[in-house]
Amino acid sequence: NAGVTQTPKFQVLKTGQSMTLQCAQDMNHNSMYWYRQDPGMGLRLIYYSASEGTTDKGEVPNGYNVSRLNKREFSLRLESAAPSQTSVYFCASSDRGQGVRPQHFGDGTRLSIL
Amino acid sequence: GNSVTQMEGPVTLSEEAFLTINCTYTATGYPSLFWYVQYPGEGLQLLLKATKADDKGSNKGFEATYRKETTSFHLEKGSVQVSDSAVYFCALPSGTYKYIFGTGTRLKVLA
Repeated sequence: NAGVTQTPKFQVLKTGQSMTLQCAQDMNHNSMYWYRQDPGMGLRLIYYSASEGTTDKGEVPNGYNVSRLNKREFSLRLESAAPSQTSVYFCASSDRGQGVRPQHFGDGTRLSIL
Repeated sequence: GNSVTQMEGPVTLSEEAFLTINCTYTATGYPSLFWYVQYPGEGLQLLLKATKADDKGSNKGFEATYRKETTSFHLEKGSVQVSDSAVYFCALPSGTYKYIFGTGTRLKVLA
């Protein structure tokens, strides 16, 4: 029972490089989310996808793009990485929109930008 | 809009001590409330939830009661263990699809 799978687990980039963080869920959830977690700031929503084919900005979308590839997969792209994007990134999924359901989280991607 | 405030940490306790982590919320109506736990190097996991006022959620010895009079959902455990060392997050829904999380409270339990 994999749940939410994120790849890679760790990554080091140089300023200006681009990369895509991958996320897949096997729980047939409609909604998927990307958060970043920084010390003392809790979780901040970057983007979310309420259902396949839709994406919306969260609290801190600048510098990021997302793609909801299909119902299972939701990727996060950094086009030109900046040191301020050094963080731990979490993908989550839920059945929100079908009543209030909890979120299920991946184990995170630890991203350092030099 | 909805918001949540939880006590700042870190909280350091000796094994078998009583734990309380405070969480208060502001919301329209009576939304479901959640506590999540994050162990080192892992993602958040749902610990417990309550779906309506006066409900008590419980799991792994942890409890929280949904109190609408005080708009609170405090997390308690009667006897903590070293293995309970983690970061705890209070959360509630915001709108149809989003959630709001507290800033997290780090708990360290000493043997």
